[in-house]
Amino acid sequence: EAGVAQSPRYKIIEKRQSVAFWCNPISGHATLYWYQQILGQGPKLLIQFQNNGVVDDSQLPKDRFSAERLKGVDSTLKIQPAKLEDSAVYLCASSLQGEVNSPLHFGNGTRLTVT
Amino acid sequence: DAKTTQPPSMDCAEGRAANLPCNHSTISGNEYVYWYRQIHSQGPQYIIHGLKNNETNEMASLIITEDRKSSTLILPHATLRDTAVYYCIDTGAGSYQLTFGKGTKLSVIP
Repeated sequence: EAGVAQSPRYKIIEKRQSVAFWCNPISGHATLYWYQQILGQGPKLLIQFQNNGVVDDSQLPKDRFSAERLKGVDSTLKIQPAKLEDSAVYLCASSLQGEVNSPLHFGNGTRLTVT
Repeated sequence: DAKTTQPPSMDCAEGRAANLPCNHSTISGNEYVYWYRQIHSQGPQYIIHGLKNNETNEMASLIITEDRKSSTLILPHATLRDTAVYYCIDTGAGSYQLTFGKGTKLSVIP
């Protein structure tokens, strides 16, 4: 099966600019996650979708981050305006049902550098 | 914050078994043990998971102690491609979210 697709692979922007990341999950996967991974740390959950509804966005910095999953398939994560501390790898993951016996499948991420 | 404890790094000779330990001091009865790994510049990859019993698949074996306070991931014949950061995670049955710690950096040495 095709894996989780993410684009772009790399992005460099200046602080205060905006940026968007795109994710296409594995076909048929109802649950989609966005994670942020700062260098040297494990991934941290930002938001979880079940179909096109938000399950958990408690760790999403909502003053600057937004995410949507239109039609319950593809998803977009946006940062506006970006700060230096947003430099990280942004990982998208999907799972069949979002249940404990449904492992997450991750994409290879988008590496964001904010200068 | 992550609820598990892992050594920050380990070395293993190529062809030997790699045994990666994890402490789950606060694991509850309905929480599963999951293992993922992350190879450089890639996203995390699912390896194996279990609740109480030992589990084996084509990638690895998972040994969970009877009190469930610790687990060991076993890669039976480590290769250079197994060099990665390995994460163990407790996750509940009701809310399937992964909280990653810093993991164990496994270096397989020729």
